[in-house]
Amino acid sequence: GAVVSQHPSWVICKSGTSVKIECRSLDFQATTMFWYRQFPKQSLMLMATSNEGSKATYEQGVEKDKFLINHASLTLSTLTVTSAHPEDSSFYICSARQALYEQYFGPGTRLTVT
Amino acid sequence: QKEVEQNSGPLSVPEGAIASLNCTYSDRGSQSFFWYRQYSGKSPELIMFIYSNGDKEDGRFTAQLNKASQYVSLLIRDSQPSDSATYLCAVTFDSGGSNYKLTFGKGTLLTVNP
Repeated sequence: GAVVSQHPSWVICKSGTSVKIECRSLDFQATTMFWYRQFPKQSLMLMATSNEGSKATYEQGVEKDKFLINHASLTLSTLTVTSAHPEDSSFYICSARQALYEQYFGPGTRLTVT
Repeated sequence: QKEVEQNSGPLSVPEGAIASLNCTYSDRGSQSFFWYRQYSGKSPELIMFIYSNGDKEDGRFTAQLNKASQYVSLLIRDSQPSDSATYLCAVTFDSGGSNYKLTFGKGTLLTVNP
């Protein structure tokens, strides 16, 4: 149990375009999902907390207009990177909260912006 | 600023030995504690969580928590080469509205030598 999927697993896009990443909890309902970003040899940095049916809460320094998050159902959250630039190239990982404290991570999406 | 500190390593142990991974945290209000394993290029995988002071054992893994010292550790018995990975310590605190967020340490790279 507690399986989280992400799609796509990797994506290459041109600078200035937008990319959408999907995160799904496959065998449980997740009222809360989280989006993280990880640069090489660094730890995970929380970008935003996504609650089903409400606006996402962004961490300090994360541009909400650039990283659009939608949590439309109890099993799906999406992250859209708008007008992507090379500095947005990173490993994006979502997690879904099954119990009050337990989070399970998706496999991640590697974004490369050329 | 809520911080989680880990030795970056690398920690190198021979196959069959006990690997000991340590973590300290700054927020006395932290409520739950997690160990994740992350293989290179992959997303984190939950190994164990612990909420109460003392030891918690699961197979070859033992988590130890000492809230008075703000210290949590992970012991891996009979270490195997497949245990070679980065181990992330994560701590949960209540950011309000039941949005318990994970704060990650930078991780300790463990290498188990055959």
